[in-house]
Amino acid sequence: GDSVTQMEGPVTLSEEAFLTINCTYTATGYPSLFWYVQYPGEGLQLLLKATKADDKGSNKGFEATYRKETTSFHLEKGSVQVSDSAVYFCALSDINFGNEKLTFGTGTRLTIIP
Amino acid sequence: GAGVSQTPSNKVTEKGKYVELRCDPISGHTALYWYRQSLGQGPEFLIYFQGTGAADDSGLPNDRFFAVRPEGSVSTLKIQRTERGDSAMYLCASSLNAGVGEQYFGPGTRLTVT
Repeated sequence: GDSVTQMEGPVTLSEEAFLTINCTYTATGYPSLFWYVQYPGEGLQLLLKATKADDKGSNKGFEATYRKETTSFHLEKGSVQVSDSAVYFCALSDINFGNEKLTFGTGTRLTIIP
Repeated sequence: GAGVSQTPSNKVTEKGKYVELRCDPISGHTALYWYRQSLGQGPEFLIYFQGTGAADDSGLPNDRFFAVRPEGSVSTLKIQRTERGDSAMYLCASSLNAGVGEQYFGPGTRLTVT
């Protein structure tokens, strides 16, 4: 079945540091890929997405590129801020197989210290 | 506009009792999803509705769990004979149409079974 493996947390960085959170996936079809973010006390929010190979999703300074050859969708940001502290979830949806559900990774807790 | 809402935000119940969790999707969204999130884990799919019908209920863990969406809008997740292992955050999400892939999540209902 489909699965998502993401970098173990927690991750602690200083403000303005470079961020990478690794995510790899296994899917029977050709999935769409997502990063969701959960800020403290808030619900899950879509951060960015990519629907086909080599697509780059971007939002709020975060980027992730759909790499079919390595089955990866790593999240990056060049200069993190304290306000980026949250839990980040990588997810896939295998719509082409009529499977609408999202399959999530376990989440990576990110803490940015000033 | 209003987002996805869920009630109650917290529910504490005794083992063996029956509970109902309610989800109000974004107006006009035809697809509705339920997920369960245990502490430290990513959300896990339970059931997906397209309109009034359950298009995929493969994630329901057993027959104590049931969900309905009688008018194609509000949905209720029902759990009979609750067990301590049912304690988790229950998340609801909606999307404009199935296949769009962008799901909007509610704040969740935290269920605690004592």
